[in-house]
Order: sequence, then C-alpha cells, then structure tokens
Amino acid sequence: NAGVTQTPKFQVLKTGQSMTLQCAQDMNHNSMYWYRQDPGMGLRLIYYSASEGTTDKGEVPNGYNVSRLNKREFSLRLESAAPSQTSVYFCASSGTRNQPQHFGDGTRLSIL
Amino acid sequence: AQTVTQSQPEMSVQEAETVTLSCTYDTSENNYYLFWYKQPPSRQMILVIRQEAYKQQNATENRFSVNFQKAAKSFSLKISDSQLGDTAMYFCASLSGGGADGLTFGKGTHLIIQP
Repeated sequence: NAGVTQTPKFQVLKTGQSMTLQCAQDMNHNSMYWYRQDPGMGLRLIYYSASEGTTDKGEVPNGYNVSRLNKREFSLRLESAAPSQTSVYFCASSGTRNQPQHFGDGTRLSIL
Repeated sequence: AQTVTQSQPEMSVQEAETVTLSCTYDTSENNYYLFWYKQPPSRQMILVIRQEAYKQQNATENRFSVNFQKAAKSFSLKISDSQLGDTAMYFCASLSGGGADGLTFGKGTHLIIQP
C-alpha cells in the first residue's frame, strides 16, 4: 500500500516562480490536509479539505491555494513563491476528521 | 484555538532506560483528541499513540504509554526499555472534537538514545 504519496520530494524555485505540490492517497479517506514544517517548529496547518469539494483555511494560508481535485488528490499551489515559503511541506489524510492522520514523506522546497 | 507546549527541546538517555516526554495543552473544548507522533531522521511522521479525552484510561502501545491528566491538561509520553531506533523528534499534537482545524502541534522534543 502506498498510503499518501507526495511529489516532488525536493524542489528549488526562484522568487516569483509558481509551483504546484501534488498529493494523492489510496486509503479512500475523506479528509486531507497540507502542513508546513519550519526549523524548530512543529507542523502548522496551511489548508484542509474535510471532504471532496470543500476546502478551508488553516493557521497559515497566506500565499497558498489548494484544489481538492477528487477524493484521492489534494494539491497545494504557490502562485508567486517567496523565500519565507522555504519549508518542508507535508500532506496528510484521515478517514474522518477525528481519526489519526496518515502523512506523506514530505516535500523539501527551497526558494532562492 | 488550541495550543500545545513541549518544554523539553532535547533529551538524552541510555539504551534500555525509561524516559518521559512532557506535553501540556490548552483547549476550551470538552471533546478532543491527543496524539504523539515520531519523526526519525527520514522525515516520516509516524503515529505513536492516540488518546481520546473522554476516556479516562491511559492509552498504551507496546513500550509506549501516556499519562493523561485531564484537569492539569497534561499528556506525557513514557517510553520503556528505550532502543536506539527510538532516536527521533517527538511531537505532541491535539485535535478538536469537531476536527475541523486539523492537528495543532508542539515544537517537538529531540530524543537521543545513547548506546
């Protein structure tokens, strides 16, 4: 079982470039999440999708957009990348909101 | 809003010893969930243990157990017979009963198991 798959695993961008991080899960989960992890910090929620067709802002949504393409896929887009968005990005999913979240392996994104 | 505090940035113990990681949280809700996640150098986020706030019994998973003190809003993780593979960052996290806002994480404790 693949679980939660994130692509790419590493990426370097220049300031102002755009990029979409992809996430797919094969566990038939309803809820999906995007977090970012900065040095010395725990993960912080960017956006989440409680079910197909819905998305909501988390703690740090500025500079990001998301799309819940279908039940399996939840993408995160940076329209104009900034150095402050250099981070490790994690996608997660859960069967229902209250069940444990399963995480992908993360994407390390550097913006120069 | 929920907050989670881990006051121990780093801990180091000898292999086979028992170690306890501290976590306190703040929430205004009666229904919520608490978790410990492990993040080894591989960067994966691995669920260690889960506690439902309405259950008084402390959760256990093999060598891992929690001490859940609801009135004190404390949720510590005890690792017994520690192993070299337990070396990792450990994050405490909370989830509201509605689960609408995703997990709220502490800043983590870096646990080092010495041979």
